[in-house]
Amino acid sequence: QVHLQESGPGLVKPSETLSLTCSLSGGSINSGGYYWSWIRQLPGKGLEWLGYIYYRGDTHYNPSLNGRLTMSLDASKNHFSLKLSPVTAADTAVYFCAVWVNWYYFDYWGQGSLVIVSS
Amino acid sequence: QSALTQPASVSGSPGQSITISCTGTNDVGSYSLVSWYQHHPGKAPKVLIYEDDRRPSGVSNRFSGSKSGNTASLTISGLQAEDEADYYCCSSAGSNTPSFGGGTKLTVL
Repeated sequence: QVHLQESGPGLVKPSETLSLTCSLSGGSINSGGYYWSWIRQLPGKGLEWLGYIYYRGDTHYNPSLNGRLTMSLDASKNHFSLKLSPVTAADTAVYFCAVWVNWYYFDYWGQGSLVIVSS
Repeated sequence: QSALTQPASVSGSPGQSITISCTGTNDVGSYSLVSWYQHHPGKAPKVLIYEDDRRPSGVSNRFSGSKSGNTASLTISGLQAEDEADYYCCSSAGSNTPSFGGGTKLTVL
């Protein structure tokens, strides 16, 4: 059973970089057809897909982030990461990692990591 | 990336059936596949339906999905207290950019 777990600082200052890591257990990050994704939920709002990274390193980001997002992957550690910079208070959200299977559906999700952007 | 529209809230009594709709423009139609997720706040979202009407193993058959034209639907039959949660539809219109609906809060009366 695949398990995903987010980790990272819960508080980030405005204009700085929000960094999160998603650790995978029970599976391999080198699996074909699995697009490792980040999704967030703004306070009181719905889900917003942020981007994905494929095991070969291909990435695709939500255009609404205006080039602020970078994702990376470390196969040796079986984890992938998100960097969002610069951040503002509007980036305060619960950030989820998930796997998008063959561009069809998100099969496994982490429990989410609350990140607050505040000075 | 088009918007998917869901009702903000629905409610039903235990044992009843409810349906949540998900309407889009380019996202929901012949060229896209819709999935549905259940989210209890503080927990990991869970896929209930994928490819419009397929149910993953382990998901109760009380959950069913359908699609007609630009509207997808999630039906929950035999409502139970534990079904009270937020529900989201998602579609990518066959592209590499998925969109979520705004979410529907289900209240079990």
